[in-house]
Amino acid sequence: GAVVSQHPSRVICKSGTSVKIECRSLDFQATTMFWYRQFPKQSLMLMATSNEGSKATYEQGVEKDKFLINHASLTLSTLTVTSAHPEDSSFYICSAPRTPSGDYNEQFFGPGTRLTVL
Amino acid sequence: GQNIDQPTEMTATEGAIVQINCTYQTSGFNGLFWYQQHAGEAPTFLSYNVLDGLEEKGRFSSFLSRSKGYSYLLLKELQMKDSASYLCAVSDSNYQLIWGAGTKLIIKP
Repeated sequence: GAVVSQHPSRVICKSGTSVKIECRSLDFQATTMFWYRQFPKQSLMLMATSNEGSKATYEQGVEKDKFLINHASLTLSTLTVTSAHPEDSSFYICSAPRTPSGDYNEQFFGPGTRLTVL
Repeated sequence: GQNIDQPTEMTATEGAIVQINCTYQTSGFNGLFWYQQHAGEAPTFLSYNVLDGLEEKGRFSSFLSRSKGYSYLLLKELQMKDSASYLCAVSDSNYQLIWGAGTKLIIKP
């Protein structure tokens, strides 16, 4: 199946610093990528939709100036958490849809990034 | 609003069968997905249903009734490694995935 990588897998940072998370589709091109956040014992929450060559679309309640998204190429999207605070500590997961046969968009997930802000 | 409901937690015995239900109310429907997620890991794809009926894939089967807004995931011959959360997600009219909160499945020996 398709592979999506995410880097780093785990990061610990001090409050007020910025953290960049990369999401790459390794064997297919992704014009769209999704960024999710998952708090313990909760479901995935869509944060934003990253579109190659255009601005990201943010979900209601997600601060676009705090969570900067750049979809620089057809295989790379980055999420930067600016001025991180302890409440931003979470599991961040990216996904990229691929339509193998045109029937549906199966989403392939990256392994996730565990962010801990001290 | 859009809503996906599934039980929070279920317990089953190794070797047995378990059915995890999912009901949904969404603006449009372009298919229903089931994903498995082990603790601390990203979800992995299990199944996709867009037409009514049963889709079987090895030990796992998924059923859909669009008129009832209902799906279930059936796991047979349960193994300890099946202990995980099972997420139901519906693709709405904009092909955006709406996620359920997940069902934590606990397998006992």
